[in-house]
Amino acid sequence: KQEVTQIPAALSVPEGENLVLNCSFTDSAIYNLQWFRQDPGKGLTSLLLIQSSQREQTSGRLNASLDKSSGRSTLYIAASQPGDSATYLCALSTGKLIFGQGTTLQVKP
Amino acid sequence: DAGVIQSPRHEVTEMGQEVTLRCKPISGHNSLFWYRQTMMRGLELLIYFNNNVPIDDSGMPEDRFSAKMPNASFSTLKIQPSEPRDSAVYFCASSPIGPNYGYTFGSGTRLTVV
Repeated sequence: KQEVTQIPAALSVPEGENLVLNCSFTDSAIYNLQWFRQDPGKGLTSLLLIQSSQREQTSGRLNASLDKSSGRSTLYIAASQPGDSATYLCALSTGKLIFGQGTTLQVKP
Repeated sequence: DAGVIQSPRHEVTEMGQEVTLRCKPISGHNSLFWYRQTMMRGLELLIYFNNNVPIDDSGMPEDRFSAKMPNASFSTLKIQPSEPRDSAVYFCASSPIGPNYGYTFGSGTRLTVV
């Protein structure tokens, strides 16, 4: 059974820091991996989609990597801003989407 | 494109009442998913459809829950009778079928059963 773990569960950093969110999974037989952002009381916004054959994807200040052999993905956020404060969710697709529990990020001004 | 549309946005109902949640997927997306989110359990997949056919309903918690997809543009999730422990946010998502596509989520329905 595929299990997805996100570490840390919560993170608080000062504005301007570069940070890394981690996601690990137990089964490398995945179609793709998707990172989402969720603001309090809101829905899920897709940030990045990494295909199984890809190693990384970039969008603005965000960079996501995928290493299937080690069962790991990271989301790198450069020059963090208070507006980045949200919960970040990692999700693996195997025909259906399986989520980690998320990392709640607070960026302090 | 209007995205995945869910209704209602909020629903408050009394225990024992029937609740129906609605979802309109993105046009052209052949897969539709229903998720439930709670603080304790996070995001759980309840059921998903490919081409209007239920593929996996193993996440449906009890017989009180049922889902239908009568056509490619509409799905319902019904709870009958509702219980306080069903209180959660219910999300619908859609995607094209295939390994190369991501998922798009609706804004969710916040259900409160009192």
